[in-house]
Amino acid sequence: GEDVEQSLFLSVREGDSSVINCTYTDSSSTYLYWYKQEPGAGLQLLTYIFSNMDMKQDQRLTVLLNKKDKHLSLRIADTQTGDSAIYFCAESSGTYKYIFGTGTRLKVLA
Amino acid sequence: EAQVTQNPRYLITVTGKKLTVTCSQNMNHEYMSWYRQDPGLGLRQIYYSMNVEVTDKGDVPEGYKVSRKEKRNFPLILESPSPNQTSLYFCASSLSVTGNQPQHFGDGTRLSIL
Repeated sequence: GEDVEQSLFLSVREGDSSVINCTYTDSSSTYLYWYKQEPGAGLQLLTYIFSNMDMKQDQRLTVLLNKKDKHLSLRIADTQTGDSAIYFCAESSGTYKYIFGTGTRLKVLA
Repeated sequence: EAQVTQNPRYLITVTGKKLTVTCSQNMNHEYMSWYRQDPGLGLRQIYYSMNVEVTDKGDVPEGYKVSRKEKRNFPLILESPSPNQTSLYFCASSLSVTGNQPQHFGDGTRLSIL
């Protein structure tokens, strides 16, 4: 079945850039998403990208999509301590089902 | 305020005792979904609903039931809970399933089945 994979942990220093990576298997993925989960809270949508796009930038966030390799990345520029959270990659192919990755726990060191 | 509300937020119960986790949204969303979150496994979809009276199984539906009698409510029912259903559960809704309509998540319900 479809699968979405992420590394479990990432640690960066405050002010550096963070890059969180994700790979997926469903070649019919239509939309790919990045969600952020802070402790004790639900998931918030950070950004999404349509499969016919290569890149999307939104303030400090840059999403890159390599459709050939089925690889998605989220770059956070000038990472702050408030960015410490779990980041989930997810995909949907318009079939009313969403597949989420395992989540990457980002720790920002002061 | 636009929100997805789950109740209860925390519940400790025993094997076999039927329980219901309620989910309500005030955004007139068509699509609603239930997920469970487990360490190392991320979020897995349990059931989803495209509209009133229309539901379908996600990836891990065994041991769960849902209903969608009204647009705003989508309760998750555990008829005979077992310890392997101990988890953190999230309800989500979106205007539709197309990608530019984000899912709004509730704050989660932590269930412990002893």
